Amino acid sequence: NAGVTQTPKFRILKIGQSMTLQCAQDMNHNYMYWYRQDPGMGLKLIYYSVGAGITDKGEVPNGYNVSRSTTEDFPLRLELAAPSQTSVYFCATQLDVTNSPLHFGNGTRLTVT
Amino acid sequence: EDKVVQSPLSLVVHEGDTVTLNCSYEVTNFRSLLWYKQEKKAPTFLFMLTSSGIEKKSGRLSSILDKKELFSILNITATQTGDSAVYLCSGGSNYKLTFGKGTLLTVNP
Repeated sequence: NAGVTQTPKFRILKIGQSMTLQCAQDMNHNYMYWYRQDPGMGLKLIYYSVGAGITDKGEVPNGYNVSRSTTEDFPLRLELAAPSQTSVYFCATQLDVTNSPLHFGNGTRLTVT
Repeated sequence: EDKVVQSPLSLVVHEGDTVTLNCSYEVTNFRSLLWYKQEKKAPTFLFMLTSSGIEKKSGRLSSILDKKELFSILNITATQTGDSAVYLCSGGSNYKLTFGKGTLLTVNP
C-alpha cells in the first residue's frame, strides 16, 4: 500500500534550470495538493487539484506550474529555478474536502544554487 | 487573508510533564481544524475538529476546539521522548488548508 509517492527525494538545481517533481497516489483520492515548507514557516499551498483536468492556484504559485491528466498523478513543474525556491516540497491527497485529513508524501528536498 | 497562529513556537520539557499547545485561527468559511505531528519527514494526522466543545482523545493526546473564541488546544500528558516533534495546526475552508508555523516540542529524558 504505497499511498502518496514523491520522487525524487533530493535534488540540487542550478539557477535557471528546470525540473519536474513527481507525485503519484494509489488511494483514488480526487483532491491533490502541493505545499512548500521553509524552515520555521509552516506549509504554504502552491497549487491544488479537485480532479483530473482541474487545477487552481494556491497561496504561492509564482514560478510553478502543474497538470493533472489522471487521478493518480499530479506533477509540479519548476521553470527557471531561483534560490527562493529552495525548500521542501510536499504533495498531499484528500478523500473528502470537508471530512477527511490530508495524506502527505515524504517530501522532496530541493536546493537551488 | 486566512491566518493561523500557533504558540509557543518552541517548548522544552522533561519526560512526564504535561504540555498544552495553542492554535488560534481566522479562516473565512471555516470548516475544520486539524492537528498534525511532523518528525523528520511528512506530517502525520492527529485530530480533525469540527464541533466546539467536543474533546477528541487518542492515548495521551487530546484536543478541543472553541469556535466562538476561534482557538484550539492540543494537550499531551505524561510526555515521552518520542513526542519530540513539530506540531502543526491548520484551519480548513473548502480546498484550502492554512497552516500555522508549528510548535517545536522537545522532550528531554
